[in-house]
Amino acid sequence: NAGVMQNPRHLVRRRGQEARLRCSPMKGHSHVYWYRQLPEEGLKFMVYLQKENIIDESGMPKERFSAEFPKEGPSILRIQQVVRGDSAAYFCASSWDPNSGNTIYFGEGSWLTVV
Amino acid sequence: SQQGEEDPQALSIQEGENATMNCSYKTSINNLQWYRQNSGRGLVHLILIRSNEREKHSGRLRVTLDTSKKSSSLLITASRAADTASYFCATDLGTYKYIFGTGTRLKVLA
Repeated sequence: NAGVMQNPRHLVRRRGQEARLRCSPMKGHSHVYWYRQLPEEGLKFMVYLQKENIIDESGMPKERFSAEFPKEGPSILRIQQVVRGDSAAYFCASSWDPNSGNTIYFGEGSWLTVV
Repeated sequence: SQQGEEDPQALSIQEGENATMNCSYKTSINNLQWYRQNSGRGLVHLILIRSNEREKHSGRLRVTLDTSKKSSSLLITASRAADTASYFCATDLGTYKYIFGTGTRLKVLA
């Protein structure tokens, strides 16, 4: 009964490159969230997706960031033309039905370093 | 200031003592959740408490919720060195979106 799986765990990119972070939700979960955590800070909401739909992307920077959750396969958070300020831990979480107050479960995170 | 603020920001106690962390929030919620995060790791879910509940227990953890004061507390009894971590509360704002505070960094000294 695997939990939320994220990969890669650690990723190093040079400025201007692209970063792709993947997240497979827990079995049976169709709701996926992405959060970003800067050092010594809490988690900041980025985007909430259901299968094939972006429900709320109010926390996503307007440029360079995009997210998808296709019908098949993992959710992808894509950061184009990375800058040093993108260095952070990116956490994916999933839930069965958030509107019923279900617990959201987190993955171990993807730690992006931009050099 | 943001929804879901924990205090204190940092707490250092001796093994065996109790640790209490508080969380305050601003708007109505359906649920409040507490998480633990060890350095360099993901968040581990501890307890979910619904707005119509006042207290929940799980092992050495006790969570209270006071909706009139818009606050929650997490009590860890008989702390252990392994409890050293950051603790976050997350509030749902009545929707699917959970907002996290900046956390309390707990250090338990052996």
